[in-house]
Amino acid sequence: DARVTQTPRDKVTEMGQEVTMRCQPILGHNTVFWYRQTMMQGLELLAYFRNRAPLDDSGMPKDRFSAEMPDATLATLKIQPSEPRDSAVYFCASGPQTGDPSTDTQYFGPGTRLTVL
Amino acid sequence: DQQVKQNSPSLSVQEGRISILNCDYTNSMFDYFLWYKKYPAEGPTFLISISSIKDKNEDGRFTVFLNKSAKHLSLHIVPSQPGDSAVYFCAASFYGGSQGNLIFGKGTKLSVKP
Repeated sequence: DARVTQTPRDKVTEMGQEVTMRCQPILGHNTVFWYRQTMMQGLELLAYFRNRAPLDDSGMPKDRFSAEMPDATLATLKIQPSEPRDSAVYFCASGPQTGDPSTDTQYFGPGTRLTVL
Repeated sequence: DQQVKQNSPSLSVQEGRISILNCDYTNSMFDYFLWYKKYPAEGPTFLISISSIKDKNEDGRFTVFLNKSAKHLSLHIVPSQPGDSAVYFCAASFYGGSQGNLIFGKGTKLSVKP
């Protein structure tokens, strides 16, 4: 049963520290998404990649957030420096994105719960 | 400004009864709509979807209705079961132009009481 995996599952850090979250998409999926879930905003799209190329990162605070896909099996989201307002659950999702919306389901990982003190 | 709105943060229903979750959207360019279900400490999972060219899609106990003129969709669960207790997210996509990225509502927490 193919799944999206994310590490770490939980991260507690202090303000100003660097945080790196990792995601392994489902093998064969060409599109990877990063979302953030907060009580106030719900699920927000931060960035997404297709075939490892960034397509849209307009949802991300540019000064402190960065997203990369060093290879097809790894996506990373980095926050430097972290701030208390970054506390949220960060989800990675992957999908086949064939152009047929009836089959282009996004599969979510379990999330990384980030707490910045 | 939220393009996809779920105005009810929570809903409580008795087991066996119908659950109706509502969602409104503002962008008439959206052409595909989805519902995701989320349990605590897990990621959202796809539940059911509907294209804008349809007004109803059914999958077992789950039916999604789309009213394009009202920019409204709803998810019906009949009969509701305790295992349906979860947060339900409505999502919309402008598939023709946005390569499939989704705009989510804030979610509705459904509690099904035995």
